[in-house]
Amino acid sequence: EIVLTQSPATLSLSPGERATLSCRASQSVDNYLAWYQQKPGQSPRLLIYGASNRATDIPARFSGSGSGTDFTLTISSLDPEDFAVYYCQQRTDWPLTFGGGTKVEIK
Amino acid sequence: EVQLVESGGGLVQPGGSLRLSCAASKFTFSDYTMAWVRQAPGKGLEWVSVISNNGGIRHYADSVKGRFTISRDNSKNTLSLQMDSLRAEDTAVYYCAKGAITATRHFDYWGQGTLVTVSS
Repeated sequence: EIVLTQSPATLSLSPGERATLSCRASQSVDNYLAWYQQKPGQSPRLLIYGASNRATDIPARFSGSGSGTDFTLTISSLDPEDFAVYYCQQRTDWPLTFGGGTKVEIK
Repeated sequence: EVQLVESGGGLVQPGGSLRLSCAASKFTFSDYTMAWVRQAPGKGLEWVSVISNNGGIRHYADSVKGRFTISRDNSKNTLSLQMDSLRAEDTAVYYCAKGAITATRHFDYWGQGTLVTVSS
């Protein structure tokens, strides 16, 4: 099973600041990695697929990078609506796995 | 806008069974891989099962293999999850999710979820 480790567990930032979230895979997932956002009481929302492709209607302040085992989700300037939990997910191998999540909270 | 509406959750005793359904609309259901993903209270996301667009390929997490069965009815635009031999650790919100067109095992639309509670 491919284990995805997300860091940090919690990121405390202010609106307007840059957020950098990490996802590390226990073995190569090529670029078959996605990022999701989940707000309290809501379903997850796909942000990034294929490591760097923004999903439909996702603002340009969200960007993804990386390949192999190390991936980054960057939010260039935090909007108040961006405070949420973020998960990475790999689709290279079965079972599909998610990272444990990074909570981006208001400082 | 794609719509996915889950139903069938509730309280069930350990060892019991439950069948979840997901009604899909506003897209061509038969073209897409579909999945179930769950989230235990206060925890992260856990993939449960995936079914290919024509139902011919199914995969399960080890934690549910042999107890859960995923199925679909493309004539009724419905995805189902039959859950047998339920355990306390199956307690979670269960989400129905649609595979993305260019990345079938990433999920671009999710339902609102249905809560399954396994408890005596």
